[in-house]
Amino acid sequence: DTEVTQTPKHLVMGMTNKKSLKCEQHMGHRAMYWYKQKAKKPPELMFVYSYEKLSINESVPSRFSPECPNSSLLNLHLHALQPEDSALYLCASSQEPGKSYGYTFGSGTRLTVV
Amino acid sequence: QKEVEQNSGPLSVPEGAIASLNCTYSDRGSQSFFWYRQYSGKSPELIMFIYSNGDKEDGRFTAQLNKASQYVSLLIRDSQPSDSATYLCAVNLPGNQFYFGTGTSLTVIP
Repeated sequence: DTEVTQTPKHLVMGMTNKKSLKCEQHMGHRAMYWYKQKAKKPPELMFVYSYEKLSINESVPSRFSPECPNSSLLNLHLHALQPEDSALYLCASSQEPGKSYGYTFGSGTRLTVV
Repeated sequence: QKEVEQNSGPLSVPEGAIASLNCTYSDRGSQSFFWYRQYSGKSPELIMFIYSNGDKEDGRFTAQLNKASQYVSLLIRDSQPSDSATYLCAVNLPGNQFYFGTGTSLTVIP
């Protein structure tokens, strides 16, 4: 299995909703990442998990809450989002923290906040 | 100062020509360098990575790295319409920080 699977593919949520994005990989990768990408912009790093511990939080607002239940799973919990949070949310994984052979990206979750 | 800079384009080349994409980076501690291709509405797809100075070839793609000048480039030979996409340069910094450039939009004209 050489894939990163993200669910759901599309999500529409209101500003008072609570939802979660899910990411799963079974490649034995020990680093997992959340990125946010707006239209015609590069991906922006949000969070990095290394060996299931949060190692980087790029000053992301607290309405985004990451969770890494085990080495294969990564969640992003969403609460009280704003319309400007609408974007493509990408999960990625890599073999080993600090020794990158490149990421494998999931297909992303297209999030719309109304 | 941005970590990674690319010419946003758009870059247009005729089918069969060589497309040349360039990227510069600011941190001399950068360890590894990547080129991703992203089709509209899709997630980035790794094309090549390079660690050492010089050229690395994979099929129609050649990555070139010059650490002294802090640039990395991607050449696409015999460009095809299916190569039309946004190409993202990415740099891995110590501490597992990974930054993308703004991307160059490439159009290959049949």
